[in-house]
Amino acid sequence: SYVLTLPPSVSVAPGKTARITCGGNNIGSKSVHWYQQKPGQAPVLVVYDNSDRPSGIPERFSGSNSGNTATLTISRVEAGDEADYYCQVWDGNIDHAVFGGGTRLTVL
Amino acid sequence: EVQLVESGGALVKPGGSLRLSCAASGFSFSSYSMNWVRQAPGKGLEWVSFISSGSSYMYYADSVKGRFTISRDNAKNSLYLQMNSLRAEDTAVYYCAARGSRYGPLGHWGQGTLVTVSS
Repeated sequence: SYVLTLPPSVSVAPGKTARITCGGNNIGSKSVHWYQQKPGQAPVLVVYDNSDRPSGIPERFSGSNSGNTATLTISRVEAGDEADYYCQVWDGNIDHAVFGGGTRLTVL
Repeated sequence: EVQLVESGGALVKPGGSLRLSCAASGFSFSSYSMNWVRQAPGKGLEWVSFISSGSSYMYYADSVKGRFTISRDNAKNSLYLQMNSLRAEDTAVYYCAARGSRYGPLGHWGQGTLVTVSS
């Protein structure tokens, strides 16, 4: 089955740029979706189809995908961005969703 | 406003059964494929099951195959998960989530319902 690899944690100072990388075999051929989850809350979609943003998500959130790595970039990081982030794809033609293990973003 | 509201979570003994429900409103439920995703305490997200918009296709994670059954009633805008032969490792918050297009994102999520399997 397909595997997505995320770093367990990323730390960034307020106002700086955070980059969270999601690794997978030829992930560049897939559509990658990113979710933000704050403690005690349900996940929220922040980037879909590699680089699109749902309405209501700040432009500070952006995504890219190429080769074996997809990246979620959060510019001008704020304290409120502190959360767990998950990447997700669909595994081939069998409609199995695959999630990365999650990255805890800490704002210093 | 899009809403997904799960219910049915409870404390159940190992080997027991439980049926979760998810009530949808604010969007065209019958046009969306639906999923169950769970999260064990302190752990990451784990996909559990998928059902297509017209119930033609159903898929399961290996960890629940043969024990869980997903179903839906489009007339009632409702999604279900029948959980049998429950194990301690099934303890988790269970979320229902909607997908609008093939390979698309899980754009709508419920708030989750807690299932605890313990003697």
